[in-house]
Amino acid sequence: EAQVTQNPRYLITVTGKKLTVTCSQNMNHEYMSWYRQDPGLGLRQIYYSMNVEVTDKGDVPEGYKVSRKEKRNFPLILESPSPNQTSLYFCASRSSGGNNEQFFGPGTRLTVL
Amino acid sequence: QKEVEQNSGPLSVPEGAIASLNCTYSDRGSQSFFWYRQYSGKSPELIMFIYSNGDKEDGRFTAQLNKASQYVSLLIRDSQPSDSATYLCAVSTGGFKTIFGAGTRLFVKA
Repeated sequence: EAQVTQNPRYLITVTGKKLTVTCSQNMNHEYMSWYRQDPGLGLRQIYYSMNVEVTDKGDVPEGYKVSRKEKRNFPLILESPSPNQTSLYFCASRSSGGNNEQFFGPGTRLTVL
Repeated sequence: QKEVEQNSGPLSVPEGAIASLNCTYSDRGSQSFFWYRQYSGKSPELIMFIYSNGDKEDGRFTAQLNKASQYVSLLIRDSQPSDSATYLCAVSTGGFKTIFGAGTRLFVKA
């Protein structure tokens, strides 16, 4: 079954405590991306990756890091989380083919106290 | 700041009617246009994409693109209560950098 998995699904943490949200896809997609979703603001792209070792900033990259060492994995790292990073986070993957096959993960709800 | 604008709604239509969802974008260099559906508490799912001016049909869905007017729309024919969701418009200028609108909530009344 084609899927994008994220872990953890829910996380409550404190300001400044480093955390990593993992994302993995099993479709051999080249493109992967991280978004945050906040009420009234829709989805905002944090970082995206065109392929292994190729990443670029989206609209709201401040306070986040990513890496793409393997094609299937694209972890999101918050080195020093702050309360304004409390949000719902989605990972997505997309094929480079013309069919634009793409899937979102189930989401990670993060609360930073 | 590149923007994608959608009417937040809610848009309410009776069952069987045509629902029309609209989206405008600011970046004339935009190349790819997407519509997603997001049910409450769920992840977005892609329902349509369009690259060229004109209409693209897939089942009950039709995407319409007018690059000169920087306008993209989604028509849902024979709307069903199961179509009730938030519809997200997204625009990409190339590669995978993507800007989303805030979404339009659609209610289809049985």
